[in-house]
Amino acid sequence: GESVGLHLPTLSVQEGDNSIINCAYSNSASDYFIWYKQESGKGPQFIIDIRSNMDKRQGQRVTVLLNKTVKHLSLQIAATQPGDSAVYFCAETYSGGGADGLTFGKGTHLIIQP
Amino acid sequence: GAVVSQHPSRVICKSGTSVKIECRSLDFQATTMFWYRQFPKQSLMLMATSNEGSKATYEQGVEKDKFLINHASLTLSTLTVTSAHPEDSSFYICSADDDRDRAYEQYFGPGTRLTVT
Repeated sequence: GESVGLHLPTLSVQEGDNSIINCAYSNSASDYFIWYKQESGKGPQFIIDIRSNMDKRQGQRVTVLLNKTVKHLSLQIAATQPGDSAVYFCAETYSGGGADGLTFGKGTHLIIQP
Repeated sequence: GAVVSQHPSRVICKSGTSVKIECRSLDFQATTMFWYRQFPKQSLMLMATSNEGSKATYEQGVEKDKFLINHASLTLSTLTVTSAHPEDSSFYICSADDDRDRAYEQYFGPGTRLTVT
């Protein structure tokens, strides 16, 4: 199930099940969105990205959905594995202004139960 | 390709001292690099944008005199935390924008854990 802790919400799923991680973004002008995976003590690792002219993009075992109407992103991970346990962040930016920094969401701690 | 390194990976310093963190793009050039800070169990917060050959751009609330950024070459940006205090203890992460890559993707370093005692 999903619970909200003091800082990071946690999502616990059984190994082999699919997981869905949600993110609400803040800036309606953002046109580029990325999902990152962060393991403890490491930097963020790129998973998948999507531009605002798309509403769905698929990668290997991952799918990102974008709903611009309600400013919502989701990351679907199929057939979760123990190595998927990590914190997942969505990030947004506006690419039209040159190189801009990313605004990160709060993050979700995904725990894969054996 | 597109590897970013940071040095040191961990550093412990005494309150009042300064510490320098390096961010290097190993196999590409980066006119623009970014510095983020991350407190435990929290998200990454953009501190500043580092531009080669010009002054860094700081986010609101980030003291530019305390967090000195130097981007002297196309492969190196440094962040110096001056007169560090325990509240500066955090995980500092840099990212770099590949000059060759027209797609907008930032490459992140492994982070530097700063502990101020």
